[in-house]
Amino acid sequence: AQTVTQSQPEMSVQEAETVTLSCTYDTSESNYYLFWYKQPPSRQMILVIRQEAYKQQNATENRFSVNFQKAAKSFSLKISDSQLGDTAMYFCAFMNIQGAQKLVFGQGTRLTINP
Amino acid sequence: DGGITQSPKYLFRKEGQNVTLSCEQNLNHDAMYWYRQDPGQGLRLIYYSQIVNDFQKGDIAEGYSVSREKKESFPLTVTSAQKNPTAFYLCASSPGQGNSGNTIYFGEGSWLTVV
Repeated sequence: AQTVTQSQPEMSVQEAETVTLSCTYDTSESNYYLFWYKQPPSRQMILVIRQEAYKQQNATENRFSVNFQKAAKSFSLKISDSQLGDTAMYFCAFMNIQGAQKLVFGQGTRLTINP
Repeated sequence: DGGITQSPKYLFRKEGQNVTLSCEQNLNHDAMYWYRQDPGQGLRLIYYSQIVNDFQKGDIAEGYSVSREKKESFPLTVTSAQKNPTAFYLCASSPGQGNSGNTIYFGEGSWLTVV
């Protein structure tokens, strides 16, 4: 079974700083997807970024980018020029491509952006 | 508007009662999911359905039941057998097996409290 580990329960940075959230995962599969979701206080789960394991290029979405290290099974999220609205829980998640396509989540990192 | 609608947003249940959480999507997605989130925790999969009239147990299915009679609907019943049902429940959907770039999208969630 796949597992996802987020080793930072909480992080806090000043507005406009860059912050990196860590995620590691364990799988024997070679093809899969990785995701970062954001959950603000409203509790809505919002997709931040997605990475296909077969792509070597790291995904980017505006201020959000990932560092995908397949051999190390590491998938960190970098937020540049952080904004107050980035304050939220961030969840790393894994999905197999083959078989039942369901998400396995990490425990989350609570990120606070301070003014 | 396209999306996933969950109702009710807040629900209170007396011990020993069954309650049903509604989830409707108009995204024409094949797959639907139910996740449970406890305070400060990640999401855990309860049930999922990849096609109409078929569904599978997730990691914590005991005390829950579902049906998938229509593509757009995937209601979750929390039965009296669920010993600790107080939690936040998230419904989700995705295009389904065989679709490229599979991503799971979430509804706004339902809070269930046992009183």
